[in-house]
Amino acid sequence: EIVLTQSPGTLSLSPGERAALSCRASEIVSSSYLAWYQQRPGQAPRLLMYGTSNRANDIPDRFSGSGSGTDYSLIISRLEPEDSAVYYCQPYGSSLWTFGQGTKVEVK
Amino acid sequence: EVLLVESGGGVVHPGGSLRLSCKVSGFTFSTYWMHWVRQAPGKGLVWVSHIDSDGSTTTYADSVKGRFTISRDNVKNILFLEMNSLRAEDTAVYYCVRGHGAYFDHWGQGSLVTVSS
Repeated sequence: EIVLTQSPGTLSLSPGERAALSCRASEIVSSSYLAWYQQRPGQAPRLLMYGTSNRANDIPDRFSGSGSGTDYSLIISRLEPEDSAVYYCQPYGSSLWTFGQGTKVEVK
Repeated sequence: EVLLVESGGGVVHPGGSLRLSCKVSGFTFSTYWMHWVRQAPGKGLVWVSHIDSDGSTTTYADSVKGRFTISRDNVKNILFLEMNSLRAEDTAVYYCVRGHGAYFDHWGQGSLVTVSS
């Protein structure tokens, strides 16, 4: 069973700063099958990135994704207050659909 | 506009049953895989179950296998989740989710299921 480790657990940054989120898998994941989701407080999750580096509809270009093999990253280049959320990575593979435990980003 | 609206959640005793429904609109339901994903209070996302476009193939997380059944009505555009032998650890918000290959591209607002005596 694939195990996902997202780090850091929590990130507290100021508006305009850069956030770097990591997602590490216990086995190789196809980059075509790695997605990221954003869940703002009190809201349902929404698709942010798919296929590692493709932004979903209406996602600003401040968000970018990269990675391969077992290591993937989500970068938010210029944080805005509405980016405060929990971010989950999600690969598709031998364990079917799995989510990381999430990284909480606080923008103050 | 793609819409997914869950209903049927509520409070149920341990060992009880509940059926969730998800009415969809804004897309051709019969051509998409659909999923249920849940989130326990204050916890992360957990995939629960999937059904392919015509309902012929279903998969389940080990934690619900044998207790939950996913199904769909492609005429009425409704996704279902029949939950039996409910346990306290099944307490969660259950999201109806549209699948797009390996990922999930549209989510409902969720339906809260509370299993408590």
